[in-house]
Amino acid sequence: DAGVTQSPTHLIKTRGQQVTLRCSPISGHKSVSWYQQVLGQGPQFIFQYYEKEERGRGNFPDRFSARQFPNYSSELNVNALLLGDSALYLCASSSSLQGNSPLHFGNGTRLTVT
Amino acid sequence: SQQGEEDPQALSIQEGENATMNCSYKTSINNLQWYRQNSGRGLVHLILIRSNEREKHSGRLRVTLDTSKKSSSLLITASRAADTASYFCATDASGSNTGKLIFGQGTTLQVKP
Repeated sequence: DAGVTQSPTHLIKTRGQQVTLRCSPISGHKSVSWYQQVLGQGPQFIFQYYEKEERGRGNFPDRFSARQFPNYSSELNVNALLLGDSALYLCASSSSLQGNSPLHFGNGTRLTVT
Repeated sequence: SQQGEEDPQALSIQEGENATMNCSYKTSINNLQWYRQNSGRGLVHLILIRSNEREKHSGRLRVTLDTSKKSSSLLITASRAADTASYFCATDASGSNTGKLIFGQGTTLQVKP
């Protein structure tokens, strides 16, 4: 079975631009979460979607938005990019809405903002 | 902000030795999980321990949980060079109805052959 897939793997953008990151969860997983990992830090929660509805949001500005499609894939959008948005963006899927089952992570999208 | 603090931040050992890393957290939890991350890649789930459990084993991994001290430890026995990675603990808040996990800052483990 395919794991969580993310695209693109790497991306370079300039300040002020917009970016869309994509994620396909493990087949059968209805929960998709997004995390931001800055170099040297642990991942920070951005969003969780379950059955196409937003179920949780982290402490990120409104420039960050996401959605989940009927096939449970998801997109993360970031507008008006700042240098501080440079990070590894990780998508994770799970079989459960709650935190009582493991997250399965993709290999991430490395975003560099110049 | 991150809930967990991990100790040590970095650990270097010889192959065959045991590695112990610790995690502390701030709020009551339902579950605590440990993940491994190889450089620049996604995280891999290692083990989940529930708040009513005190110890759990999986292969060469042993996890303990002390909810009174709000701390956990991960022991890797008979380490191998392939265990070189960063290790993170992650918690979900007690009473939470979402899958939000709060990760610590991680311990970087180097196992020398």
